[in-house]
Amino acid sequence: GQNIDQPTEMTATEGAIVQINCTYQTSGFNGLFWYQQHAGEAPTFLSYNVLDGLEEKGRFSSFLSRSKGYSYLLLKELQMKDSASYLCAVMDSNYQLIWGAGTKLIIKP
Amino acid sequence: NAGVTQTPKFHILKIGQSMTLQCTQDMNHNYMYWYRQDPGMGLKLIYYSVGAGITDKGEVPNGYNVSRSTTEDFPLRLELAAPSQTSVYFCASSYSTDSYEQYFGPGTRLTVT
Repeated sequence: GQNIDQPTEMTATEGAIVQINCTYQTSGFNGLFWYQQHAGEAPTFLSYNVLDGLEEKGRFSSFLSRSKGYSYLLLKELQMKDSASYLCAVMDSNYQLIWGAGTKLIIKP
Repeated sequence: NAGVTQTPKFHILKIGQSMTLQCTQDMNHNYMYWYRQDPGMGLKLIYYSVGAGITDKGEVPNGYNVSRSTTEDFPLRLELAAPSQTSVYFCASSYSTDSYEQYFGPGTRLTVT
């Protein structure tokens, strides 16, 4: 079967750094996406990785290791507005997105 | 551009009733999707479309139907609603598949009682 695993919840302090991990087992791989979803709102795109390595975009970075079936999202200089759920999704061999349940990130002052 | 719009935002449906959730996008995207999101679960794909006149089933299509008569519109029909269809429904669109991000509508919160 297809499976995406992420921690359910994480807590971090404003101004700090947090790493959210995602492991996956899917039938085929055509890229990995990270989305941010604030409570009661729609998901919005953060990043896309298809090759191994680190992609940096401002305060957010995403890493992929295809051989390990592993990715992480790194958030630096945390702000209160970063409190949200972070969704990991893998595009399978049918070009359909398989979604993790999301990691709820709580930022404390 | 309004992006992806969905109506209604909220709805309460009685068991056995039917209704249509509306979705429209103004970005001229070929690909459109319907997802449901239940608490503590990942988004599940219900149906998708790769262009006008073409639709296909996703992971959880039972109890739903779709049509795609135009590029802009992708309505989702619930027939004989059941409590298990209580969920938040998101419509999304993308220019293509693979590396292209999906743009989501604001969602419809549906309760079936």
